[in-house]
Amino acid sequence: NAGVMQNPRHLVRRRGQEARLRCSPMKGHSHVYWYRQLPEEGLKFMVYLQKENIIDESGMPKERFSAEFPKEGPSILRIQQVVRGDSAAYFCASSPRVFGTESSGANVLTFGAGSRLTVL
Amino acid sequence: KNEVEQSPQNLTAQEGEFITINCSYSVGISALHWLQQHPGGGIVSLFMLSSGKKKHGRLIATINIQEKHSSLHITASHPRDSAVYICAVKGVPGAGSYQLTFGKGTKLSVIP
Repeated sequence: NAGVMQNPRHLVRRRGQEARLRCSPMKGHSHVYWYRQLPEEGLKFMVYLQKENIIDESGMPKERFSAEFPKEGPSILRIQQVVRGDSAAYFCASSPRVFGTESSGANVLTFGAGSRLTVL
Repeated sequence: KNEVEQSPQNLTAQEGEFITINCSYSVGISALHWLQQHPGGGIVSLFMLSSGKKKHGRLIATINIQEKHSSLHITASHPRDSAVYICAVKGVPGAGSYQLTFGKGTKLSVIP
């Protein structure tokens, strides 16, 4: 069981380029969450996806950012026309069911090691 | 929107000391999580709790729902415990419940 796999671990882009971050959830997990950690800031929720569906994207910036979780393959977080303020660590997490309270039994949330984006 | 405050921001302890990290939140929650972020950046989920107390090895987490407060304790601290400890809360179902709101973390350094 390889855990949640994120790649690339480090990505350097120049302003205006596109960044694509990939996340393969744990085997058996069909729920994926993306979080962003800006320098000196706490983690912030971006988007929650199930296979082929975006469930909650309320934390995602309205422009330039998009996410998908296709039927086959990893979840992808895409940032178009990157700016310096996009430099951050992007973490993916997965769960086997809706991540909820203890009573729901879905108290497993496994994080990937993160992808660190640097925009020059 | 829930505000999550952690204290202290930074903590240095001698090996063997008993450590307490605090977390307060402003709005009622369905669950609270303690996470550990290692110097390399990886994040590990330590506890999820909605009431009472949980223990795992040298780690103990408690929560007081009425006071909107949780503590993470580390007994007999060791240098390998050095990490950032993050508190995160989950809202009440039906009200943004998919989102975790995170504290900024407490950076712990345990000196041999």
